[in-house]
Amino acid sequence: GAVVSQHPSWVICKSGTSVKIECRSLDFQATTMFWYRQFPKQSLMLMATSNEGSKATYEQGVEKDKFLINHASLTLSTLTVTSAHPEDSSFYICSAPGGVRDEQYFGPGTRLTVT
Amino acid sequence: AQKVTQAQTEISVVEKEDVTLDCVYETRDTTYYLFWYKQPPSGELVFLIRRNSFDEQNEISGRYSWNFQKSTSSFNFTITASQVVDSAVYFCALSEGGGYQGGSEKLVFGKGTKLTVNP
Repeated sequence: GAVVSQHPSWVICKSGTSVKIECRSLDFQATTMFWYRQFPKQSLMLMATSNEGSKATYEQGVEKDKFLINHASLTLSTLTVTSAHPEDSSFYICSAPGGVRDEQYFGPGTRLTVT
Repeated sequence: AQKVTQAQTEISVVEKEDVTLDCVYETRDTTYYLFWYKQPPSGELVFLIRRNSFDEQNEISGRYSWNFQKSTSSFNFTITASQVVDSAVYFCALSEGGGYQGGSEKLVFGKGTKLTVNP
C-alpha cells in the first residue's frame, strides 16, 4: 500500500530556534497533503492543507507566519516551526491522499519537544 | 460545522470481554466518509475502516465490527473478545466533502477513546 514517511521522527530543540519537518509520499504523488497537530492526550487537529505549487491553506487560529508550509514537489511537503516555544511541543502528523482508491495515508508522526 | 463526538474518554475491560466504542457525528453534507483509527502508544495511526454515507451496511472484520446508523448519526465500533493488544486510543473521524471517491479530504477527529484491556 501507499506509504507516507516523516522526518525526523522526533526532535528536541531550544526555544527560539526553527525546526523543519518533512513529509514524503514514497510511492505516489500527492498534490495535497494535510498537517495535523496532536497535544498530549488530545485529539488530532488540522493545522493546514498543503497544496503543491501554491500557498497552503491554514485553519482558523493557526499562525501562518509561525508554521511555514512548503509543498515544493509532488512527493514532499515541509512544515517549519519558526521561533519555536515550549507550547509548540506536540506530535505533528501529516497525511496525503493517494493510491488507487484515493485513500488517506498518514505518516508516522514527528514528536517535537521545545526546551 | 462538522463535528465528531466520542463521549467515552476512557474504557477499561478485562480480556475476552466485548467492548463498544461510541461515535456520533454531525454534518450537513449528504456525501461524507466516516473512519476509525487506532493509535497505539507509538503514536502512528492505524487505519481500521472507512465507510461512505451511502453504505449503511454493518461490517465485520475478524473481531471488529462496525454499526453505522444514519438515523442516529452514529458509527459505533465493537471489539469482540478483546485482547491486551487492543489497548490503544481509538479515534473516529469524519471526512468533509466527498470530492474524491475515497474520502481523501481533510478529516475532523473525535477526541478519542482510550481503551485499556487488562489481562
